[in-house]
Amino acid sequence: QSVLTQPPSASGTPGQRVTISCSGTSSNVGSNPVNWYQQLPGAAPKLLIYIYNQRPSGVPDRFSGSKSDTSASLAISGLQSDDEADYFCAAWDDSLNGYVFGTGTKVTVL
Amino acid sequence: EVHLLESGGGLEQPGGSLRLSCAASGFTFSSYSMNWVRQAPGRGLQWISYISKSGDTTYYADSLQGRFIVSRDNAKNSLFLQMNRLSDEDTAVYYCARDLLLPTGRLFDYWGQGTLVTVSS
Repeated sequence: QSVLTQPPSASGTPGQRVTISCSGTSSNVGSNPVNWYQQLPGAAPKLLIYIYNQRPSGVPDRFSGSKSDTSASLAISGLQSDDEADYFCAAWDDSLNGYVFGTGTKVTVL
Repeated sequence: EVHLLESGGGLEQPGGSLRLSCAASGFTFSSYSMNWVRQAPGRGLQWISYISKSGDTTYYADSLQGRFIVSRDNAKNSLFLQMNRLSDEDTAVYYCARDLLLPTGRLFDYWGQGTLVTVSS
């Protein structure tokens, strides 16, 4: 069901930088902006990064996004315990005429 | 403040039907397209359907095989998902999400808290 590929897990100690990759194809990541969603344990997803690297109000600048060809990345700098969550990338897919999500990455703060 | 509240989930037998609702408040509902997204237990997110502001355009995930129908009532600020011929694979938390279309791209900017649908005999 998931069209975009992410690593299942990522981890770091407090203060470290963690990067999550998101691999897609020319019909989704390659041609449409990527958004990132954060899902804290037991909660609904929340918009974290949109249109590659824009942050909604209230999201700290420790979170940043980037994109290259058919891949995108989310970086979390200055890792904090509150950052423990699942992170999903997403984009519109022109071939499927629908929105596709990544497989999700669980971030653990050691 | 934007608020989305899903309801209508519960336990249903395989082959049965359920109708989910999403009550919107805090924004002009008729000015936004809407989506349904689901998440099976311990799994990732799956986009289910999209409906335009007026309701005249809808899209669905191919995997649904025509079993689900999305609709809306702008006068009542409500979004609906009619789910038919349910199977255990439809067991999931169902979220409604507001669609924001910018010149640079599309995103889901607000989500409801979700409603749990369990399909089991």
